[in-house]
Amino acid sequence: DAGVTQSPTHLIKTRGQQVTLRCSPKSGHDTVSWYQQALGQGPQFIFQYYEEEERQRGNFPDRFSGHQFPNYSSELNVNALLLGDSALYLCASSVGTLETQYFGPGTRLLVL
Amino acid sequence: GQQLNQSPQSMFIQEGEDVSMNCTSSSIFNTWLWYKQDPGEGPVLLIALYKAGELTSNGRLTAQFGITRKDSFLNISASIPSDVGIYFCAGEENTNAGKSTFGDGTTLTVKP
Repeated sequence: DAGVTQSPTHLIKTRGQQVTLRCSPKSGHDTVSWYQQALGQGPQFIFQYYEEEERQRGNFPDRFSGHQFPNYSSELNVNALLLGDSALYLCASSVGTLETQYFGPGTRLLVL
Repeated sequence: GQQLNQSPQSMFIQEGEDVSMNCTSSSIFNTWLWYKQDPGEGPVLLIALYKAGELTSNGRLTAQFGITRKDSFLNISASIPSDVGIYFCAGEENTNAGKSTFGDGTTLTVKP
């Protein structure tokens, strides 16, 4: 039973570019949440997708957008990258919004 | 927004010692969670607490949900080298799994 998987594992971009990160939820899970974890800090909630719609959003600008596909996988898109967007981006999945979430290993993004 | 203050920031202990860390919030949470994160991995859930006053154990780990709903602690008894890692507390409002507010972590080092 595969857990939450994310791709790519590492990514280097330059300021102003756009990036797409991908997440496949744990088998049987239908809800995906995205978090940004800066170095030395705890994860910060970006948004949550359920039934292909954004259900909850944290305090992140519109440059951060996402999508959930019919197979429950999800993408995180970040436009106009800033140096401060360098972080570990974590995806977590759960069954609905009332059950425990499981985290993937993350995608480490470096913006130069 | 909500903030979680997690302390201590780091701990250096001898193998076999007990460890205690805590988290306080300016807001009330309905769920408290404790995670462990190893290098290159996503956080892994250790203990979930759902009721004020609840005391829950998972092996050598014990956590409590504070009566005021604004704090929680995690104890690790008889520490071993594999306990090394970063421990995070997280709170959730309204039992919405996925929109978690995280502390900035306690880094634990265990000397053999």
